[in-house]
Amino acid sequence: ETAVFQTPNYHVTQVGNEVSFNCKQTLGHDTMYWYKQDSKKLLKIMFSYNNKQLIVNETVPRRFSPQSSDKAHLNLRIKSVEPEDSAVYLCASSTGGARQDTQYFGPGTRLLVL
Amino acid sequence: LAKTTQPPSMEAYEGQEVNVSCSHTNIATSEYIYWYRQVPHQGPQFIIQGYKDYVVNEVASLFISADRKLSTLSLPWVSLRDAAVYYCIVTDMGQGGRALIFGTGTTVSVSP
Repeated sequence: ETAVFQTPNYHVTQVGNEVSFNCKQTLGHDTMYWYKQDSKKLLKIMFSYNNKQLIVNETVPRRFSPQSSDKAHLNLRIKSVEPEDSAVYLCASSTGGARQDTQYFGPGTRLLVL
Repeated sequence: LAKTTQPPSMEAYEGQEVNVSCSHTNIATSEYIYWYRQVPHQGPQFIIQGYKDYVVNEVASLFISADRKLSTLSLPWVSLRDAAVYYCIVTDMGQGGRALIFGTGTTVSVSP
């Protein structure tokens, strides 16, 4: 059962455009995450966020920014896409407060930059 | 960098038991062991977690060595749907959540 929802499923755009991906979780979790999965299938954290703190992976370019309206939503904006941004972007959520914390992932948004 | 080492791939036939090993020689006393799997076109899915000894749930079992440097995920009676990339992750979640550090995982192939 999908409890982390991502839109769109796919997005094709051109270099220099701005894109925004949406993520919503219905699990009542306090912490949300964005991961990037590249063409080699390697998954890397980009951001983790709860209502108190945003943690940014220092390797993430500044053109990427998370946007949150409430704890159930964490969107991802890319200001000016580049070819290396082509990847699958995965959103996840967790309770964030327990030692034995499980993350729940959405199906991902596949971005292709031409 | 991932803190774990797994075999890159394994093959099995339907109905067999599959055991995926994971080495985490530098695991800290505060860290737990998590297993996730990812099938194509989906996000990773949690399978099981443990700290020590033996853990079992409806999907899998997890054996952790006495020194906690090695763990083995056991999948009984695999089916075609169990074909996926299996990730072993060691982390201390802590307050506020903690990002998962994924390695390259083990690709499990299942044949009829």
